Amino acid sequence: AQSVAQPEDQVNVAEGNPLTVKCTYSVSGNPYLFWYVQYPNRGLQFLLKYITGDNLVKGSYGFEAEFNKSQTSFHLKKPSALVSDSALYFCAVRDGGFKTIFGAGTRLFVKA
Amino acid sequence: DGGITQSPKYLFRKEGQNVTLSCEQNLNHDAMYWYRQDPGQGLRLIYYSQIVNDFQKGDIAEGYSVSREKKESFPLTVTSAQKNPTAFYLCASAGGGNTEAFFGQGTRLTVV
Repeated sequence: AQSVAQPEDQVNVAEGNPLTVKCTYSVSGNPYLFWYVQYPNRGLQFLLKYITGDNLVKGSYGFEAEFNKSQTSFHLKKPSALVSDSALYFCAVRDGGFKTIFGAGTRLFVKA
Repeated sequence: DGGITQSPKYLFRKEGQNVTLSCEQNLNHDAMYWYRQDPGQGLRLIYYSQIVNDFQKGDIAEGYSVSREKKESFPLTVTSAQKNPTAFYLCASAGGGNTEAFFGQGTRLTVV
């Protein structure tokens, strides 16, 4: 069975500093990995995905993520955080089919 | 405008009543999903469908039912058997196996 873990409920970072939001996964076969962002009382918006190829994936709003197969991780990163990045972030994994499982989410607070 | 539409945005239900949440997409996506979001628990998969007239249970299907009579539509019924239905419900759709999901804006269901 596939699963996703986001070990941090909350991440705090100062504006201008780099940020990392952690994600580890478990899935049989090759994973499809995704990051989404959610603002209050809204649906989720897609940020980026890893399918195959380069382990560093670039996405929307300056975010990127690093796929590490040996550590089964897919951490979300941004070199310089903005106050407007404050939101709830979800990691998701899909097996070779259509079933998609999400992590519990990590709340990011960026202080001015 | 392509997208995925959930209605209503807010829904109130009396205990013991069934209620149906609507989800429509015009993205020509094969797969559709229903998730439940509770504070601190992330998104939990209720049901998903890969094709018309076929659907699979997710991790928390008890007390819920779905249908997929048309590619565009995937309504969710919250039955009286669901013991704790108050939550934020999110519908999503996706194309092929490695494509990202698009989410609706959600329906907040409250039992009164």
